[in-house]
Amino acid sequence: QVQLQESGPGLVKPSQTLSLTCTVSGDSISSENFYWSWIRQPAGKRLEWIGRIYANGNTNYNPSLESRISISTDTSKNQFSLKLSSVTAVDTALYYCATSPKYYDWWFDSWGQGTLVTVSS
Amino acid sequence: EVVLTQSPGTLSLSPGERATLSCRASRSVGSSYLAWYQQKPGQAPRLLMYGASSRATGIPDRFSGSGSGTDFTLTISSLEPEDFAVYYCQQYGGSSMYTFGQGTKLEIK
Repeated sequence: QVQLQESGPGLVKPSQTLSLTCTVSGDSISSENFYWSWIRQPAGKRLEWIGRIYANGNTNYNPSLESRISISTDTSKNQFSLKLSSVTAVDTALYYCATSPKYYDWWFDSWGQGTLVTVSS
Repeated sequence: EVVLTQSPGTLSLSPGERATLSCRASRSVGSSYLAWYQQKPGQAPRLLMYGASSRATGIPDRFSGSGSGTDFTLTISSLEPEDFAVYYCQQYGGSSMYTFGQGTKLEIK
C-alpha cells in the first residue's frame, strides 16, 4: 500500500502563499495507478477536498478554491505539492494528502497523517 | 455541489450494541460513488466502505453499508471498544468533485 507523508511550514502569515509537500513511498508518482489529492479539515468542521493531480500532469480543483490553488509533481523526489495563495485565517486547517485508485477514483484509499497549518501574523 | 448531512451528530452507545449512522444527500448520488471513513483522534481518516456497501481491505464484517439515491446507512452490528470514533460519509459528484458529510461522533455511553 502507498504511504504518504505531508511536510511544510506550520505557520503562514495572512496574504502569503501556503506551500506543502507530500512525499510518496510504495509506488511511483509517475506510475499512473493513482490520483494524488489534497484534502483539508478546519478544526471542528467537515473535510474539504482541495484538488488533485494525475501522473500526466492533469489537475482538477475545487471550484471554491480554484483561483488560489496550484498542485504539481516532482518526479525526481516522488512528491507532489500544494500551493495556496492569498491565505487568510479561514485557511487554517489540518491538511492531508491522499490517493484515489485510477479506475475507481471515487474514494480515498490511503491518507497521510496530516499537517497542521495555522494562518496568523 | 452535493451536500451530505449526517445524523445523528453524536451517538452514545455501549459495547455490544448496534450502531446505525445515516448520511443524506441533497440530491441523488450513484451508489458506486458513496464511501464511509472512520477517524480516531490524532489519526487520518481510514476508508471503511466504498461503493456504499463494499468493505475496504481489512475491515471486519461487523461493518456494513447500504442505501441508494439520497439515503445511505452505515451499520456496526456489535460495537467493539475500538469502534468509538468519528465517521464521515463522502460522495463523488462527477466533474472530479468530492464532498464530505459533517461527521457522526460515536461515543461510549
